[in-house]
Amino acid sequence: DAKTTQPPSMDCAEGRAANLPCNHSTISGNEYVYWYRQIHSQGPQYIIHGLKNNETNEMASLIITEDRKSSTLILPHATLRDTAVYYCIVRVRTSGSRLTFGEGTQLTVNP
Amino acid sequence: SQTIHQWPATLVQPVGSPLSLECTVEGTSNPNLYWYRQAAGRGLQLLFYSVGIGQISSEVPQNLSASRPQDRQFILSSKKLLLSDSGFYLCAWSVPGYSYNSPLHFGNGTRLTVT
Repeated sequence: DAKTTQPPSMDCAEGRAANLPCNHSTISGNEYVYWYRQIHSQGPQYIIHGLKNNETNEMASLIITEDRKSSTLILPHATLRDTAVYYCIVRVRTSGSRLTFGEGTQLTVNP
Repeated sequence: SQTIHQWPATLVQPVGSPLSLECTVEGTSNPNLYWYRQAAGRGLQLLFYSVGIGQISSEVPQNLSASRPQDRQFILSSKKLLLSDSGFYLCAWSVPGYSYNSPLHFGNGTRLTVT
């Protein structure tokens, strides 16, 4: 499986943009980058995913470098409710279309 | 729209007792279904997945089993619980087939404590 590397923790001020980095240097050409978050004691919540192009939805933006070896999840205006563990996942083409979660980044949004 | 239900939300069971956790999905047909477990302070570990009725794939050898008796029902079971079975159990679904361009959607989980 393509391995991802994320910082274990980050802090962000409320109202500011949160930029969460992810390295995936062994990603293959047809593998998607997915982002999920998990708020304490809840199930993981899907945020966004992409293949090559940058993507944006109502929750966040995903910026993927041209060589696809890294990506950044951007929460444009972080709120206290965005405090969570954020997982960057490379979805490899294996049976069952499953996702393999790593350790993620604990994002703490401070007032 | 599609929804996923898991129950119970919390469960306390003695060592050696049986276990049955149920997950159902509404609003879609023939979904892929998944069981994950998260031990305290740890990441999510895939336990089982199913691409159709009666089709179960196991990711890790353990004290647990899974069944899919109906299209949108996924059950996690154990005959005799161990202390190490404690954790947060999550069910998830995705669109059928090998679609890598659609996400998994998770339920709210069951927190199991084995005493």
